[in-house]
Amino acid sequence: KNEVEQSPQNLTAQEGEFITINCSYSVGISALHWLQQHPGGGIVSLFMLSSGKKKHGRLIATINIQEKHSSLHITASHPRDSAVYICAASPGGGADGLTFGKGTHLIIQP
Amino acid sequence: AAGVIQSPRHLIKEKRETATLKCYPIPRHDTVYWYQQGPGQDPQFLISFYEKMQSDKGSIPDRFSAQQFSDYHSELNMSSLELGDSALYFCASSVPGEPEGTQYFGPGTRLLVL
Repeated sequence: KNEVEQSPQNLTAQEGEFITINCSYSVGISALHWLQQHPGGGIVSLFMLSSGKKKHGRLIATINIQEKHSSLHITASHPRDSAVYICAASPGGGADGLTFGKGTHLIIQP
Repeated sequence: AAGVIQSPRHLIKEKRETATLKCYPIPRHDTVYWYQQGPGQDPQFLISFYEKMQSDKGSIPDRFSAQQFSDYHSELNMSSLELGDSALYFCASSVPGEPEGTQYFGPGTRLLVL
């Protein structure tokens, strides 16, 4: 069983819609990462959270440590937001590797 | 701004050959992570280094070895390559103690084993 679960696996929406991607984790973590991977492979780090909420442009990430749950929201979605969004858990401090969720394939149609 | 550099970007090898992948972290980053992402798979953590010492070990096969050098670049050495080693290999770097602790990912090396 994957220690990091994401939902939905696939999401298709119309341009302008509000998007929510959810992540649940079953292990203790020091931080939760949201990453974006475009076709062709490159991975970009969007957020790293250990508590509360962060906002960057149209992207908002929240985390509830007690419930072991995080969400990534995209407001006013645009076709260029189409990508795979990956939730990844950092189990401890220092140089621990990330444990990745299986990703959410997001397609925003014009 | 400087980013994580990986070389080569693409590599084709035959079964049982060896391969060496290189990773150059962002300047002043002293921690390097290696990840493997098979076709249609989520990335899997292989190994990490902090200050030239192995820090954490994930699902790295015994046929693979890695090290971090005095200039903080890292090399992943892969021997007796198998078809299943075909994957995208990411390197990431970070600075422990940085408030955010974000891992910055390189563009990846796509390895194809024939």
